[in-house]
Amino acid sequence: GAVVSQHPSRVICKSGTSVKIECRSLDFQATTMFWYRQFPKQSLMLMATSNEGSKATYEQGVEKDKFLINHASLTLSTLTVTSAHPEDSSFYICSAPLGHYNSPLHFGNGTRLTVT
Amino acid sequence: SQKIEQNSEALNIQEGKTATLTCNYTNYSPAYLQWYRQDPGRGPVFLLLIRENEKEKRKERLKVTFDTTLKQSLFHITASQPADSATYLCALGYNAGNNRKLIWGLGTSLAVNP
Repeated sequence: GAVVSQHPSRVICKSGTSVKIECRSLDFQATTMFWYRQFPKQSLMLMATSNEGSKATYEQGVEKDKFLINHASLTLSTLTVTSAHPEDSSFYICSAPLGHYNSPLHFGNGTRLTVT
Repeated sequence: SQKIEQNSEALNIQEGKTATLTCNYTNYSPAYLQWYRQDPGRGPVFLLLIRENEKEKRKERLKVTFDTTLKQSLFHITASQPADSATYLCALGYNAGNNRKLIWGLGTSLAVNP
């Protein structure tokens, strides 16, 4: 079945450094991928919609210069957290619709980011 | 304000019983509701989708109902097993202008005891 692969699963970095998270669609092409963030005991919050070959669409309150998204191919989207701070520590999860834009989502296994 | 709520307290049931989870919403006109399962430290896994004009959907031991009058969806797991223990999320899809948006509940933790 369709799988979304996300790496790394866990990363610890120092404050001020940048971290790149990769999200790959296996066995299917994803023109759109969604990046979510999940804080403990909170619901999934959409950060941005990644569009292959064009600029990402960011949700209100999400800084596009801090969370850089690149979707250069139909199977790979990356999220780079720049100049990370402890408050950026969270669980980041990517997803892709299996079919059309409004299809149910296939999620990666998430990346636990800890900024010290 | 617009809200989507799931029963916040963890649900503990005995193996073999039916688990029933609730998803209520206010001030939305949903196009559909989706249910996902999330295990600790993992991404959600899609289970079922029910559209606004559907009353009930089934898949193996799972059943979802959708009552747009009550503004509620119920998610049932029959003949529950310890392996069903997880957090279950509901997500409501609604139209916002020319876009379709998806909003998530906090999830309900289910523990099935052997």
